[in-house]
Amino acid sequence: GAVVSQHPSWVICKSGTSVKIECRSLDFQATTMFWYRQFPKQSLMLMATSNEGSKATYEQGVEKDKFLINHASLTLSTLTVTSAHPEDSSFYICSARVQDYEQYFGPGTRLTVT
Amino acid sequence: GQNIDQPTEMTATEGAIVQINCTYQTSGFNGLFWYQQHAGEAPTFLSYNVLDGLEEKGRFSSFLSRSKGYSYLLLKELQMKDSASYLCAVLDSNYQLIWGAGTKLIIKP
Repeated sequence: GAVVSQHPSWVICKSGTSVKIECRSLDFQATTMFWYRQFPKQSLMLMATSNEGSKATYEQGVEKDKFLINHASLTLSTLTVTSAHPEDSSFYICSARVQDYEQYFGPGTRLTVT
Repeated sequence: GQNIDQPTEMTATEGAIVQINCTYQTSGFNGLFWYQQHAGEAPTFLSYNVLDGLEEKGRFSSFLSRSKGYSYLLLKELQMKDSASYLCAVLDSNYQLIWGAGTKLIIKP
């Protein structure tokens, strides 16, 4: 099946710094990628939909200037958490859509902001 | 609004059978997914139903009734490694996944 990778798998950063998370589709091209955030004991929350070559579509309540998404190629999307704060600490997961209904998830990135 | 309901937590015994229910109300329907998620890991795909009926895949089966807005995931011959959260998700008319909150399944020896 399709493989999606994320890097880094975990990161600890200081409050006020920025962190970039990469999401790659390894053996297929993904025109659409999704970014999710998951807090402990909660379900996945869609943050934004990323389409190659165009601006991302953010869900209501997600600050687009804080969570910068770039989908520059058919195999790479990046999420940058700018000026991170402790409340941004979470598990960030990307997924790539292959067909209308097939979605494959990356392994996730655990972000801890101190 | 869109809504997906599933029990918060269930407990079952190793070797037994457990059924996890999911009811949904969404704007449009293009299929229902079940995912398994172990703590600290990303979800992994279990099943996809778009037509009514039962889909069997090894120890796991998934059922869908579109008229009732209802699905269940059936796990047989439970193993300790099946302890995880099980997420129900519906693909709506815009092909966007709407997620349930997940059911934490605890398996006891």
